[in-house]
Amino acid sequence: DQQVKQNSPSLSVQEGRISILNCDYTNSMFDYFLWYKKYPAEGPTFLISISSIKDKNEDGRFTVFLNKSAKHLSLHIVPSQPGDSAVYFCAASALYNNNDMRFGAGTRLTVKP
Amino acid sequence: DAGITQSPRHKVTETGTPVTLRCHQTENHRYMYWYRQDPGHGLRLIHYSYGVKDTDKGEVSDGYSVSRSKTEDFLLTLESATSSQTSVYFCAISEGGSSYNEQFFGPGTRLTVL
Repeated sequence: DQQVKQNSPSLSVQEGRISILNCDYTNSMFDYFLWYKKYPAEGPTFLISISSIKDKNEDGRFTVFLNKSAKHLSLHIVPSQPGDSAVYFCAASALYNNNDMRFGAGTRLTVKP
Repeated sequence: DAGITQSPRHKVTETGTPVTLRCHQTENHRYMYWYRQDPGHGLRLIHYSYGVKDTDKGEVSDGYSVSRSKTEDFLLTLESATSSQTSVYFCAISEGGSSYNEQFFGPGTRLTVL
């Protein structure tokens, strides 16, 4: 039972354009959401997060949007750079079970020069 | 970078053999986690620890056991490895519980069970 879903396995964008990565969740108890970035042969690294009391969080070129009614969040990268090419994982957790973070399957982003 | 190392980084073993993976941290973080990463599944939590000798099960704990005798070390044991346990294993640490604390991941261990 996959509670966090990333339906696009891959995404390709041109350098300088916007990258939009999407994530859907089914558990309405999730109240904290994170994005991790992973390069080959390395562990995931934290990118950005958002609490359910917010609908937007911005950090430089990265913005995460949360739509609680739709159980949907998205990561926007503007402008995209070749160094952003990586696998991006969406993750979610709930306060009542806060050591059980659920991850999506990941989206491989390729930014072409 | 958070001080997390995993050993071994690669291992090939045969079905039915015991395997132990080690995670070592130098950050003195209270929480430690073991995940496995498989295509189409992302990362799934196997076990976690919230202190020395304090551990609990995660989403996919069957066939795995853990031990934490020191703050800095968290061991994952496959008592009798099966081919379905072929995966990439990641250790992670955090200062607090995962909800509001960033997790820092190790470099991973690629395990192949033949």
